[in-house]
Amino acid sequence: QKEVEQDPGPLSVPEGAIVSLNCTYSNSAFQYFMWYRQYSRKGPELLMYTYSSGNKEDGRFTAQVDKSSKYISLFIRDSQPSDSATYLCAMRLTGGGNKLTFGTGTQLKVEL
Amino acid sequence: DTGVSQDPRHKITKRGQNVTFRCDPISEHNRLYWYRQTLGQGPEFLTYFQNEAQLEKSRLLSDRFSAERPKGSFSTLEIQRTEQGDSAMYLCASDASPGGEQFFGPGTRLTVL
Repeated sequence: QKEVEQDPGPLSVPEGAIVSLNCTYSNSAFQYFMWYRQYSRKGPELLMYTYSSGNKEDGRFTAQVDKSSKYISLFIRDSQPSDSATYLCAMRLTGGGNKLTFGTGTQLKVEL
Repeated sequence: DTGVSQDPRHKITKRGQNVTFRCDPISEHNRLYWYRQTLGQGPEFLTYFQNEAQLEKSRLLSDRFSAERPKGSFSTLEIQRTEQGDSAMYLCASDASPGGEQFFGPGTRLTVL
């Protein structure tokens, strides 16, 4: 079993829809949670960075962390075709080397 | 451009050849990371440096792989005697300790024929 599980999709939604992306994890020591967006053949781009449980909002993006359930989510409001990409969740421990443990990524397509 | 840069962006090589990749981190970042990403998977940690010291290496980093960061600035990743299984995207990232946000470069895509 992987430490971080993420449905690979693909997920296809119409333009303007609300998108919900999720990850579950097994290591309760993870304290920092991130979402990255990756376009085809490009490097990951940091979207959201949160510490411990709670919500964080940035424009059309909202990240939620529920440590009691070991479950994190990313919501995208008013989705656009330009949001079509692979979304990777990542997490790390407190202290240590800051290395990230990633999910497999969810491929999202927003259609006109 | 003040982001993380990697060179080359693409490398095609024959099995058994040695290859070397370079990463230039964001200038004020003292920590540098290497990851490997295969098709349909998330990046997997290989190794990281704090300044010039290599502090952790993954079990994925076989003895054919070596990484350096001689002056605490840019880093190189060398793969000796490449195998077809080494074909992947090699990603470099950097951050500023402690607890900084980690930013990735565009990656070097390696194809081993």
